[in-house]
Amino acid sequence: DTAVSQTPKYLVTQMGNDKSIKCEQNLGHDTMYWYKQDSKKFLKIMFSYNNKELIINETVPNRFSPKSPDKAHLNLHINSLELGDSAVYFCASSQASQAAYEQYFGPGTRLTVT
Amino acid sequence: LAKTTQPISMDSYEGQEVNITCSHNNIATNDYITWYQQFPSQGPRFIIQGYKTKVTNEVASLFIPADRKSSTLSLPRVSLSDTAVYYCLVSLYNQGGKLIFGQGTELSVKP
Repeated sequence: DTAVSQTPKYLVTQMGNDKSIKCEQNLGHDTMYWYKQDSKKFLKIMFSYNNKELIINETVPNRFSPKSPDKAHLNLHINSLELGDSAVYFCASSQASQAAYEQYFGPGTRLTVT
Repeated sequence: LAKTTQPISMDSYEGQEVNITCSHNNIATNDYITWYQQFPSQGPRFIIQGYKTKVTNEVASLFIPADRKSSTLSLPRVSLSDTAVYYCLVSLYNQGGKLIFGQGTELSVKP
């Protein structure tokens, strides 16, 4: 069984559209994350949730809205997509939000905005 | 403001020991240093973590000097399958667990 799964794996869409990426973890972890990896492979955290509550919210345009219906799921909704949103988005989870816990990453969602 | 810096790329040959250093010159006592490995088209995968001195597991060692301004990931006897991008991550305990990734080091292992 996949520990952290994301859907879809690939997403191609046009500027101005609204899209969502879903993430699920079956590890029983309390904390989940969204990261953006740009074309230069730079990984940047966007959001972190602990037990469905937002604990990290980096400087991200408010077009990006995370939603955690339960602690096993963290979805990312993006409004009014722009060319610069093209990237690979990774979901991750960890046992708790303290720094000592390793993160388990999903396979990524490659978003291409045309 | 904490920042992490790593070499952009490194080359090595099979069987050699590889050391990748990450500079993080503004971290606090409780901040952890973690290293991740990423293969193409996959998510990063945890390798090792520590916050002082030396940590060793079955795949790598992590050396952290007393001043904690840098850390070195050591991969013993690399093989072709170790070709990947290696990321240093600093977790800032006193800044609400803020996570700072380095820009990644692309390691190429040649036969």
